[in-house]
Amino acid sequence: VLTQSPGTLSLSVGERATLSCRVSQNLRNAAVAWYRQRPGQPPRLLIYDASSRATGTPDRVSGSGSGTDFTLTINRLEPEDSAVYFCQQYGGPMYTFGQGTKLEI
Amino acid sequence: QVQLIQSGPEVKTPGSSMRLSCKASGDTFDNSAFNWVRQAPGQGLEWMGRFITVIGMTNYAWTFLGRIRITADRSTNTAYLELNNLTPDDTAVYFCAKETSLPLGWLDPWGPGTAVSVST
Repeated sequence: VLTQSPGTLSLSVGERATLSCRVSQNLRNAAVAWYRQRPGQPPRLLIYDASSRATGTPDRVSGSGSGTDFTLTINRLEPEDSAVYFCQQYGGPMYTFGQGTKLEI
Repeated sequence: QVQLIQSGPEVKTPGSSMRLSCKASGDTFDNSAFNWVRQAPGQGLEWMGRFITVIGMTNYAWTFLGRIRITADRSTNTAYLELNNLTPDDTAVYFCAKETSLPLGWLDPWGPGTAVSVST
């Protein structure tokens, strides 16, 4: 089970967002990805293997963590960062997603 | 650049079945897996299962066992999702997503989604 917090985060342009994803079982290989989903669009991969940026992810977006606690950090927030962010674990053949964090700018 | 092209919206009645398609273009079909993820209105993402093309193996989420089948046709670079015994709770947007970091990995890219409505 993946638990994301907070449910909703309201911040201003230029601030930093810190999103949390807690996994119920230890992921020994940091098998966590982060996705951004804007309204009416499919999810887009931002981070894989907990901290590797996908192609096109700006360097103000970063991922960290290990074991059971993972974090997505977005620096210097911009209006287009408004979206719902999901984490996903792929530590075993049954994948699961967190419930999402809505980020409002 | 890989693109995933999904079939059009569907309206179904309770108890019926659906078959959605996802055609991959611009990349090799092999050495990848095709995942299906659904999103009910206003809800989060729910992983349903995947088909690993190179070995023809599937993994399914427990909640769908017995009424789900994911297949793929290498000749047309197309993956399919079949879901049986539909109920109104199956109303959702269904996304296909490619996975190239096997055996276990992240999903990228995603298709645009197919809206399915189940009602009487």
